[in-house]
Amino acid sequence: DGGITQSPKYLFRKEGQNVTLSCEQNLNHDAMYWYRQDPGQGLRLIYYSQIVNDFQKGDIAEGYSVSREKKESFPLTVTSAQKNPTAFYLCASSIGSGAMNTEAFFGQGTRLTVV
Amino acid sequence: QKEVEQNSGPLSVPEGAIASLNCTYSDRGSQSFFWYRQYSGKSPELIMSIYSNGDKEDGRFTAQLNKASQYVSLLIRDSQPSDSATYLCAVNHDMRFGAGTRLTVKP
Repeated sequence: DGGITQSPKYLFRKEGQNVTLSCEQNLNHDAMYWYRQDPGQGLRLIYYSQIVNDFQKGDIAEGYSVSREKKESFPLTVTSAQKNPTAFYLCASSIGSGAMNTEAFFGQGTRLTVV
Repeated sequence: QKEVEQNSGPLSVPEGAIASLNCTYSDRGSQSFFWYRQYSGKSPELIMSIYSNGDKEDGRFTAQLNKASQYVSLLIRDSQPSDSATYLCAVNHDMRFGAGTRLTVKP
């Protein structure tokens, strides 16, 4: 089945540690996205990538890093510089044909708790 | 900074009524517009996409786009309790989302 997979579903880390969230898709989509969602809030764009080996900062990129070495994979690292990393993280992908985009498909999310 | 804004809500309507959700955007060059529904603790799921000015209907849902005024809206006719969720507007190739509007449909 085609889809987008995030792992793990729940993740606990100690304060000051870097942590990497996995996102893999087998939809052959060019564009991939990372969002952060806090309780009762909307989705805030962290990073997005429209092509392999290229990515752009979203609205809240500070304290996060990404890579796009393969079309299928777009891992997100939450660094110790992120002041308040506890949140629900969503990864998405879309065909991403420039200005005219199609719908984004979402993974199931990773709930990160930093203690 | 490109912005997408939604009427903050929460919005409460009785069962069978029309729910109206609105979204405005700042990037005048935007060409792709999407409405998603998100149930608590779940991932967003697409309800409607719209690319051209005017109305687009799909069952009980109608999306309306006005590029000159830079807004896109979603109407839900004959609202059902199962429509109770947060509705998110997304715009353009970078998929920026609004803050969402929480809708409650009361039986």
